[in-house]
Amino acid sequence: GDSVTQMEGPVTLSEEAFLTINCTYTATGYPSLFWYVQYPGEGLQLLLKATKADDKGSNKGFEATYRKETTSFHLEKGSVQVSDSAVYFCALSGGRIKAAGNKLTFGGGTRVLVKP
Amino acid sequence: NAGVTQTPKFRVLKTGQSMTLLCAQDMNHEYMYWYRQDPGMGLRLIHYSVGEGTTAKGEVPDGYNVSRLKKQNFLLGLESAAPSQTSVYFCASSYPFGDYQKIYIQYFGAGTRLSVL
Repeated sequence: GDSVTQMEGPVTLSEEAFLTINCTYTATGYPSLFWYVQYPGEGLQLLLKATKADDKGSNKGFEATYRKETTSFHLEKGSVQVSDSAVYFCALSGGRIKAAGNKLTFGGGTRVLVKP
Repeated sequence: NAGVTQTPKFRVLKTGQSMTLLCAQDMNHEYMYWYRQDPGMGLRLIHYSVGEGTTAKGEVPDGYNVSRLKKQNFLLGLESAAPSQTSVYFCASSYPFGDYQKIYIQYFGAGTRLSVL
């Protein structure tokens, strides 16, 4: 079945450092890929998405490129801020089954802590 | 613009008690979902609904029931709570995005933290 693997955290960085969170997936067909972010005490929010190979999603200084050849969708940000401290989830939909409900398959989440 | 609202925010139950979690969305979305979030396991789908009056099982449905009597509401029930159901529960709803390839964007509530003693 479909699956998503992302690096385990926590990832601790200093402000203005470069952030990379690795995400790889297993799916047949042509899934859509997403990054969601969960700030402390809140629900998940869509951060960015990509719907086909070589698409680049971007938002709030974050970027991720859909790499079909390496089945990856790594999240990057060039200069993090304290306010970027959160848990980041990689997810896919529409892989093996463009199923009823268009369900999301999530990775385990990566906690990021940015220190001043 | 409330989005997705979950009630209650916190609850403590004793083993064997029952309860219902309510999810309400004001975005006229057809699809709704219930997830549970456990440390290191991401979110796992419990049940989902593709429209009013319909429900279907997700990845971890055992011990839970759901109902979608109205389009805007999706209820999650625990008939006899167990300690293994201690978790954070998230509700989401989704709509299709895009002209050619329909992508469903999910919007999440703030979660319900449930402890079963």
